[in-house]
Amino acid sequence: GENVEQHPSTLSVQEGDSAVIKCTYSDSASNYFPWYKQELGKRPQLIIDIRSNVGEKKDQRIAVTLNKTAKHFSLHITETQPEDSAVYFCAASNRGFQKLVFGTGTRLLVSP
Amino acid sequence: GAGVSQSPSNKVTEKGKDVELRCDPISGHTALYWYRQRLGQGLEFLIYFQGNSAPDKSGLPSDRFSAERTGESVSTLTIQRTQQEDSAVYLCASSRQDPQYFGPGTRLTVL
Repeated sequence: GENVEQHPSTLSVQEGDSAVIKCTYSDSASNYFPWYKQELGKRPQLIIDIRSNVGEKKDQRIAVTLNKTAKHFSLHITETQPEDSAVYFCAASNRGFQKLVFGTGTRLLVSP
Repeated sequence: GAGVSQSPSNKVTEKGKDVELRCDPISGHTALYWYRQRLGQGLEFLIYFQGNSAPDKSGLPSDRFSAERTGESVSTLTIQRTQQEDSAVYLCASSRQDPQYFGPGTRLTVL
């Protein structure tokens, strides 16, 4: 089955810096890759997702890139702010209406 | 509109007791998923319902775990004879296709 690895497990940056979180997946049939942000004690919230027919997607300060050949995808946050501090999870699935396989999470801390 | 809701928000139980957790999906979402999140960990898939198809139970950790869904509405996750290792947050999600939207979770503590 699918296996998703995520790095780093923790990431500390200064406000205004960029942050990059990387994930790799094992199943070449996977074609949907969402990213969720989870604040302490809260539900995971979708922040961006990408399908395998595109290589990059941007939404304001957040972007995701996908390399299907290498089977990895990355989350890029620019101009980080303290409110970006949270745990970020990547996930993969092999089409709609399928379970998500999650990475182990990255705790991002943005210091003012 | 209303998001995914779950009840109870917290449940404390004694080892060996049965518990029932409830999920109300977003109206019109035909798919419903249960995940488990242990403290400081990622989300583990448990079970998935899609319309009238047979559920995908491949993530259920043991036969003490079961779930039901009535049509395209409410789902209940039942854990029988709870063990301390069952302590976790149980998250429900629903979708029309992609993405999945999560509920607030039920925090289960087994003493």
